[in-house]
Amino acid sequence: NAGVTQTPKFQVLKTGQSMTLQCAQDMNHEYMSWYRQDPGMGLRLIHYSVGAGITDQGEVPNGYNVSRSTTEDFPLRLLSAAPSQTSVYFCASSPRQGVTEEQYFGPGTRLTVT
Amino acid sequence: GDSVTQMEGPVTLSEEAFLTINCTYTATGYPSLFWYVQYPGEGLQLLLKATKADDKGSNKGFEATYRKETTSFHLEKGSVQVSDSAVYFCALSTSGTYKYIFGTGTRLKVLA
Repeated sequence: NAGVTQTPKFQVLKTGQSMTLQCAQDMNHEYMSWYRQDPGMGLRLIHYSVGAGITDQGEVPNGYNVSRSTTEDFPLRLLSAAPSQTSVYFCASSPRQGVTEEQYFGPGTRLTVT
Repeated sequence: GDSVTQMEGPVTLSEEAFLTINCTYTATGYPSLFWYVQYPGEGLQLLLKATKADDKGSNKGFEATYRKETTSFHLEKGSVQVSDSAVYFCALSTSGTYKYIFGTGTRLKVLA
């Protein structure tokens, strides 16, 4: 099992460029989510999905889009990159939504916007 | 709203020292509580969890007890090793939401 995979590992963008961060899981998990990690702020939820075709906003959704056309994939799109989006991005999944469920994290994508 | 507060780091200890990382929470429902660990250059991985009051989660020598009366979930280990150097995150998940709330993380450095 590959678990949760993310690509690319590193990315540098110029202000105004767009790009898609890829996330895939091979565990048939229903629930997937995207977080950003910034120094001193922990992890903040950007968007999440409770199943194919269903997405919703988290704490910091502005400037990001998501879609969930399959159970396996949950890409995160940056529409017009800004320096404030410089961060480390983590994708996570869990078998189902439930208060006791563990989340499985990918290795992260380090994004720098200049 | 729901929140998690962790002690600020970094925490620097000598090998075999006792570790405590404090975590307190605020939640309107009945949360499950988690500790995740992040090793350098990696994603987070679950260390332990507790799903109801007075439960004790344990793994790899780490322990934490869900204390509803003090709304706390402090992480402890009796004898730390250099390999325990990492960032530790306290988190909660409440029924009726699809969201996890993470603390800001505490960096632990263990010196040989």
